[in-house]
Amino acid sequence: GENVEQHPSTLSVQEGDSAVIKCTYSDSASNYFPWYKQELGKRPQLIIDIRSNVGEKKDQRIAVTLNKTAKHFSLHITETQPEDSAVYFCALTTVGGATNKLIFGTGTLLAVQP
Amino acid sequence: KAGVTQTPRYLIKTRGQQVTLSCSPISGHRSVSWYQQTPGQGLQFLFEYFSETQRNKGNFPGRFSGRQFSNSRSEMNVSTLELGDSALYLCASSLTAGGGYNEQFFGPGTRLTVL
Repeated sequence: GENVEQHPSTLSVQEGDSAVIKCTYSDSASNYFPWYKQELGKRPQLIIDIRSNVGEKKDQRIAVTLNKTAKHFSLHITETQPEDSAVYFCALTTVGGATNKLIFGTGTLLAVQP
Repeated sequence: KAGVTQTPRYLIKTRGQQVTLSCSPISGHRSVSWYQQTPGQGLQFLFEYFSETQRNKGNFPGRFSGRQFSNSRSEMNVSTLELGDSALYLCASSLTAGGGYNEQFFGPGTRLTVL
């Protein structure tokens, strides 16, 4: 069935360092992998996404990589800043069916120490 | 364009009561999904509506129900509240249901506390 594991659950880095969060999944039919950032008391917001026909996507300091064979995808944040501190969720779904249902990872609390 | 709105933002109820939460999607969006967020379970899918029809349902008991109106606004109802129903309930809207890569935009959520 659909399942996604996310690691680590907490991550503390120094400002300027890089942060990497990894998610693994089991359903090979999954083909769309968004990442959401949720600041304390705020709504989840999409920060980057990747489709199964792409191996890597970058947007300024944020990048996502996908390994379909190994069924894992990762979020990379470079030159971290204090405002990157938040909970990050990976998610996945299968596009092409009649649903937008997202399966979420359990979240990673990222703390960027100034 | 206004974002997704949810009302009320906060609710306090007692066990056994029922509650109705409301979600207004972004104008033009026809798909609304609901998620329950708790510290222990993370974000769990409740159900999804498109054109007033339930398209998908998560693994929640029948006490959880929902509906969608012709203007795409959606409500969810929880009857016979239990302590474990305390959570942040988030709705998300998107243009269509499936068929393409439709970004889901989340509302601010309704914080439900069951005493």
